[in-house]
Amino acid sequence: DAKTTQPPSMDCAEGRAANLPCNHSTISGNEYVYWYRQIHSQGPQYIIHGLKNNETNEMASLIITEDRKSSTLILPHATLRDTAVYYCIVRVAEYGGATNKLIFGTGTLLAVQP
Amino acid sequence: DVKVTQSSRYLVKRTGEKVFLECVQDMDHENMFWYRQDPGLGLRLIYFSYDVKMKEKGDIPEGYSVSREKKERFSLILESASTNQTSMYLCASPKGADMNTEAFFGQGTRLTVV
Repeated sequence: DAKTTQPPSMDCAEGRAANLPCNHSTISGNEYVYWYRQIHSQGPQYIIHGLKNNETNEMASLIITEDRKSSTLILPHATLRDTAVYYCIVRVAEYGGATNKLIFGTGTLLAVQP
Repeated sequence: DVKVTQSSRYLVKRTGEKVFLECVQDMDHENMFWYRQDPGLGLRLIYFSYDVKMKEKGDIPEGYSVSREKKERFSLILESASTNQTSMYLCASPKGADMNTEAFFGQGTRLTVV
């Protein structure tokens, strides 16, 4: 199973870009990278996912290196409401894809400072 | 707009009690998951189900069982609750059978076993 490594915590000034790194050096060719976040006392929330191309949506951008061994989630203009634990996850597919599971690590606590 | 609903936000149970945690999704998804979340350990997968009456063990199934009698409902059962099962329990359901989509999480049930 591909595993991910993230820093335990990061700070970011409000209004600035937050860049959250993730290492997944054992990722295989058909595994996607997902990002979720969890605001205190709430369930995790999906942010974005990608395979090898960079992706952007209304919440964030995902930059995946060419060798796919690492990625960066970018929140372009962080606000206080973005303070949360951010999880980088590699999808594990088993049983021919009929069943899949998301393996969560301990994530990065992003603290956006006023 | 609610997609995944967990029956209780907070529960307090006594050691040895049989505990049922209920999760309902209104999106007609095939896959459903149960996780527990503990400080410093992230989210750990207990069980998941990819179809009615089908279940698979996750990483920490000991002390738990599950039931999926209807597509929209996935129940987690603690046969004999113990204090080390005090935790936040999260239910999740991804779109479709292919996990290449976002997963929706419930708000979580914080269970305390005394």
